[in-house]
Amino acid sequence: DIVMTQSPDSLAVSLGERATINCRSSQSLLFTSSDKNYLGWYQQKPGQAPKLLIYWASTRESGVPDRFSGSGSGTDFTLTISSLQAEDVAVYYCQQYHSVPPTFGLGTRVEIK
Amino acid sequence: EVQVVESGGGLVQPGGSLRLSCAASGFSFSTYWMSWVRQAPGKAPEWVANIKEDGSDKYYVDSVKGRFSISRDNAKNSLDLRMNSLRVDDTAVYYCARGPLWGNWYFDLWGRGTLVTVSS
Repeated sequence: DIVMTQSPDSLAVSLGERATINCRSSQSLLFTSSDKNYLGWYQQKPGQAPKLLIYWASTRESGVPDRFSGSGSGTDFTLTISSLQAEDVAVYYCQQYHSVPPTFGLGTRVEIK
Repeated sequence: EVQVVESGGGLVQPGGSLRLSCAASGFSFSTYWMSWVRQAPGKAPEWVANIKEDGSDKYYVDSVKGRFSISRDNAKNSLDLRMNSLRVDDTAVYYCARGPLWGNWYFDLWGRGTLVTVSS
């Protein structure tokens, strides 16, 4: 199975500042035939259902604010929140869907400094 | 409102059985693959099982094969997970999730989950 490693485990960022979350996979998530990276990002707020933010490593799900962006290719990926808002306090997970079974990272907790 | 709502969790002894249900609303349930994903305390989410739109194909993670069974009733917009021979390491919050989507194994709609605790 592909192992997904996220860093840091948690981070505290001031309101309006940038938050950066990293995700590394044990195998490349890029299918060269399609030139797509099979990587998604989810947000889970306390007591709520997980929410899909980004798929194909950089495509925002409908309705997701544009302060959320995904980047990276191959084995290294980043989720960036360009200007942290209070409502962004949550745990963020990356997930690969290049191979079955799909696997998730342990999550990164984002808090307000 | 587009949503899925899980039910059926609880405390069960090792070796016991439990049936989880998921009620879907606000979307055309019969046109989507559906999945169960679980998350044990302090661990990453783990995909457990999924089922094709018409129920003709089903897939399971190795650790639950032969013990868990996924099914659906498109007339009732419902998804089930029957769990037998439960083990302590099956303890987790179980989420109903929509997907895979067009053959891609990510999930665009999740419920809030139902807690399953396996303990003596």
